[in-house]
Amino acid sequence: KAGVTQTPRYLIKTRGQQVTLSCSPISGHRSVSWYQQTPGQGLQFLFEYFSETQRNKGNFPGRFSGRQFSNSRSEMNVSTLELGDSALYLCASSLAASISSYNEQFFGPGTRLTVL
Amino acid sequence: DQQVKQNSPSLSVQEGRISILNCDYTNSMFDYFLWYKKYPAEGPTFLISISSIKDKNEDGRFTVFLNKSAKHLSLHIVPSQPGDSAVYFCAASAYTGNQFYFGTGTSLTVIP
Repeated sequence: KAGVTQTPRYLIKTRGQQVTLSCSPISGHRSVSWYQQTPGQGLQFLFEYFSETQRNKGNFPGRFSGRQFSNSRSEMNVSTLELGDSALYLCASSLAASISSYNEQFFGPGTRLTVL
Repeated sequence: DQQVKQNSPSLSVQEGRISILNCDYTNSMFDYFLWYKKYPAEGPTFLISISSIKDKNEDGRFTVFLNKSAKHLSLHIVPSQPGDSAVYFCAASAYTGNQFYFGTGTSLTVIP
C-alpha cells in the first residue's frame, strides 16, 4: 500500500507570495491533518479534515487555509508569505473510522518551504 | 501554550544500554499517547502508543510507561542500537478530539 505523498518536496518563495501544498493520503484514509515543524517548536497542528470538512483547527492565522477533496486528497494554502513561515510542512493521514476513535497517524515526508 | 513537553532536546547513550526519553503533559483530558520516531528528510513514523487505561505497553525493545498522576510518560529502548538514532516525538490526544499535540522532540544519539 502506498504511503502518504506530499508535493512538492521543496519550495522556495519570496515574502508576499502565496503557496499551495498538496497531500495524498493512504488509500482508504479519510482524515488528513497538517502540521508545521520548525526548530525548537516541534510539530504545531494546523488543521484536520475529514470527509471534506475541517474538523479541527490549530492556532494559526487566517493566512493558512486548507481543503479536502472527495478523494481525500488535501491541499494547504498559505497566502502573503512571511519569513517566519519557513518550515517543514507535514501531512498525516489516518483511517478515522469514526469521529471519536483513536487513530494512528501516518506521515508523509513533508514539504520544505523556504521564504526569502 | 505547549501542552506536551519534552524537556531534553538531546540524549546520548552507548550502544547496548538503555535509552529513556521523557515527556510531560499538562492537559488532564489527554488519554491517548503516542511516540513517533523521525529520521532527517523523512516524516515521523509511529513507534508505540498507550491509552490511559494502561500504565505500560511493550513492543519488542520499546516500552512506554504512563504515570497519570504525574502527567508523565517515558519511552524505554532496551538495548539501544545505532539505528535508533533519530528524533523522538511524543504526542497526546483526548478521546473527544482528533487533534494530536506534539512535544518538541528529543534527539537520541546511540554511540557504537
